[in-house]
Amino acid sequence: EAGVAQSPRYKIIEKRQSVAFWCNPISGHATLYWYQQILGQGPKLLIQFQNNGVVDDSQLPKDRFSAERLKGVDSTLKIQPAKLEDSAVYLCASSTREGVSHEQYFGPGTRLTVT
Amino acid sequence: GQNIDQPTEMTATEGAIVQINCTYQTSGFNGLFWYQQHAGEAPTFLSYNVLDGLEEKGRFSSFLSRSKGYSYLLLKELQMKDSASYLCAVRDTGGATNKLIFGTGTLLAVQP
Repeated sequence: EAGVAQSPRYKIIEKRQSVAFWCNPISGHATLYWYQQILGQGPKLLIQFQNNGVVDDSQLPKDRFSAERLKGVDSTLKIQPAKLEDSAVYLCASSTREGVSHEQYFGPGTRLTVT
Repeated sequence: GQNIDQPTEMTATEGAIVQINCTYQTSGFNGLFWYQQHAGEAPTFLSYNVLDGLEEKGRFSSFLSRSKGYSYLLLKELQMKDSASYLCAVRDTGGATNKLIFGTGTLLAVQP
């Protein structure tokens, strides 16, 4: 079974520039998550989709961050304009409602450096 | 408020046993997860507890006490490859959200 795919793996941009990240979840997983992980911290949920609808975006800085999952499969996360404090790893995860634990499967992440 | 506490770093010896503790205070609770994260890699699922007690899976075991807001991850027969960060995460509520709140992680160094 293929895992969660993300691209690019690394990105370096200057502050005030824009950047977009892409995620393709595990086939059949209806729920998709975007997390931000700053160095030395645990992942923080930015947004959660159930199919193509937003379930939780309470911690998404909506003045600069946006995300979409138009067809309920892959998703993009955009930052416009970027700030220095956005330097982090952006993790995408997916889960299914089958089973008991509904554990989340994570992709390899995109490491963003804002200079 | 939401608060999950774990030690920042731990060191242990190859072949030994180590216990990583996690305490939590969250507005809701619907399960506790442990994830392993090697440097530069994605977190991988280790264990899940929703009822009190011990769950054993090979060399790894996880314990939960809901009344105390406490969990631990026990690693036996430590191997060098177990050097990683171990993340404790609480699922805040059930239903649609399945939202995980992560601690900052415990960086475990296994020494020869």
